[in-house]
Amino acid sequence: GAVVSQHPSWVICKSGTSVKIECRSLDFQATTMFWYRQFPKQSLMLMATSNEGSKATYEQGVEKDKFLINHASLTLSTLTVTSAHPEDSSFYICSARSGDLYGYTFGSGTRLTVV
Amino acid sequence: TQLLEQSPQFLSIQEGENLTVYCNSSSVFSSLQWYRQEPGEGPVLLVTVVTGGEVKKLKRLTFQFGDARKDSSLHITAAQPGDTGLYLCAYTNAGKSTFGDGTTLTVKP
Repeated sequence: GAVVSQHPSWVICKSGTSVKIECRSLDFQATTMFWYRQFPKQSLMLMATSNEGSKATYEQGVEKDKFLINHASLTLSTLTVTSAHPEDSSFYICSARSGDLYGYTFGSGTRLTVV
Repeated sequence: TQLLEQSPQFLSIQEGENLTVYCNSSSVFSSLQWYRQEPGEGPVLLVTVVTGGEVKKLKRLTFQFGDARKDSSLHITAAQPGDTGLYLCAYTNAGKSTFGDGTTLTVKP
């Protein structure tokens, strides 16, 4: 089946530094990928839509200058959390449509902890 | 944005018991998806329901889409500890998935 790989699975960084998270579609091409954030005991909230070869589309309330998204190829999208602060600590998950008409394949997520 | 309300929010049962979780809305959907998410992992798609009144079975899991396509339910028969996780319903619109708040299920051995 379709696989979406995320890296790293967890990262701890110091406040003020930047962190890059990669999302790869391993056995299919994805012109569109999606980035979600999930806080403990909460559901997934869509942050942005990553479009191959063009600018990402951000949901209302998500700072595009803080969460930089690059989708440079059909199999890779990256999310960079710039100048991270403790409130950015969360579980970040990407997804891509893999062929199922209605559902999407999700990555295994990245746990970001900012100290 | 259409709202998906899931209930109950938390459910803790003993192995072997049956349970039903619900996903309700006042909106009509062309389809609804059910996912299961385990701690520290991304959600995994279980099923998509499309037709009003549709019933789909996945081993011990039975999914139903309401006749009016406004709600859905997930019934688990003889729950096992391996069923423990966060169950999420979701709909997709213009490629974006919107999730309910989920039901956290704990099955104790």
